[in-house]
Amino acid sequence: AQSVTQPDIHITVSEGASLELRCNYSYGATPYLFWYVQSPGQGLQLLLKYFSGDTLVQGIKGFEAEFKRSQSSFNLRKPSVHWSDAAEYFCAVGAVSYDKVIFGPGTSLSVIP
Amino acid sequence: GAVVSQHPSWVICKSGTSVKIECRSLDFQATTMFWYRQFPKQSLMLMATSNEGSKATYEQGVEKDKFLINHASLTLSTLTVTSAHPEDSSFYICSARDPYEQYFGPGTRLTVT
Repeated sequence: AQSVTQPDIHITVSEGASLELRCNYSYGATPYLFWYVQSPGQGLQLLLKYFSGDTLVQGIKGFEAEFKRSQSSFNLRKPSVHWSDAAEYFCAVGAVSYDKVIFGPGTSLSVIP
Repeated sequence: GAVVSQHPSWVICKSGTSVKIECRSLDFQATTMFWYRQFPKQSLMLMATSNEGSKATYEQGVEKDKFLINHASLTLSTLTVTSAHPEDSSFYICSARDPYEQYFGPGTRLTVT
């Protein structure tokens, strides 16, 4: 069965600093991988997704993620964090495109001035 | 981008009553919709997959007689929580997919008193 782990429950970074959020998945075949962001009181927004091809994926808001099959990882990165990036971030995996997407436990990001 | 709405955005009901939550795809037709449940500061747990015109497929551990799902049209799915109890209090999120992407609604906060 597919599963997702996000080792960091909460991360605090300074504004302007770089960010990396970790995600590891378990799945028998090539997974479909996603990163979503959820701001307080708001719905989920898709940051980026990986289906196939180039393993470095560019997303919205300056985020990127790299798929590493050998490490079963799909870490999210941003070179310079803005205060508005404070939110909950979810990594997710799907077996086929958007069928039965399973979410990781989430990482809460705080940004300090 | 495509928009998914949920109604109501929040609802308070008394224990033992039933409450219906609507999920609509506003500008596209969704053959498949998904219902998730999110507890405070936790991840989204997939409850069921709803296909237009057919019975919903429930995830293991989800009571199908308590959480009734109807997907009557390509733009509307409803979740009815029957005989609600305080432990059903949660944040319910729907999503709808088109051939290319999955879009999430803003969620419905249910409080059972």
